[in-house]
Amino acid sequence: DAGITQSPRHKVTETGTPVTLRCHQTENHRYMYWYRQDPGHGLRLIHYSYGVKDTDKGEVSDGYSVSRSKTEDFLLTLESATSSQTSVYFCAISKGGNTEAFFGQGTRLTVV
Amino acid sequence: AQSVTQLGSHVSVSEGALVLLRCNYSSSVPPYLFWYVQYPNQGLQLLLKYTSAATLVKGINGFEAEFKKSETSFHLTKPSAHMSDAAEYFCAVSEGDSSYKLIFGSGTRLLVRP
Repeated sequence: DAGITQSPRHKVTETGTPVTLRCHQTENHRYMYWYRQDPGHGLRLIHYSYGVKDTDKGEVSDGYSVSRSKTEDFLLTLESATSSQTSVYFCAISKGGNTEAFFGQGTRLTVV
Repeated sequence: AQSVTQLGSHVSVSEGALVLLRCNYSSSVPPYLFWYVQYPNQGLQLLLKYTSAATLVKGINGFEAEFKKSETSFHLTKPSAHMSDAAEYFCAVSEGDSSYKLIFGSGTRLLVRP
């Protein structure tokens, strides 16, 4: 299995609070991605990183920010959590090109 | 922007029957195409990928997919379904730009009846 760890695996938080999810990799892959999975929508890209301190927005980036200060860590922050951000969040890593992306086990976030 | 369409949010087959999961993509250039599988409460696992070396791609667990450029399709098949194949399947396409990000279809849940 690819060395990719998400933490926490489960979290319940209150509306309006900030939340940070962590993705840690031991594969030294250049590319890292945050997706959210919701029924009927598949996986939608939130943000991605193509190197340390190099990040860009995906299709559903509103309300989220990211940071990558080290190759191995990619943080996703919900600045002020809302109920619409209740979802399962997946981190993925890739070497780029025509190589596969490896996925973490996911973080189930519930905003109440 | 690229998009992926998976026809049928749920597909039900009998054990031993043919599995066919459909995927169509929009692309004006040869894409990178992938099929992933997700078992309950787990992350996604790669089944197979299209590399342009061959139009018929074989993957794990007896699955294969055929790239048809004229139909912009990349359907997933398995000759004989097994109970353990019950899962959700996602087709994905790479943008082909420098981000290499994947665009996913909405997924197809495969149910296998005994």
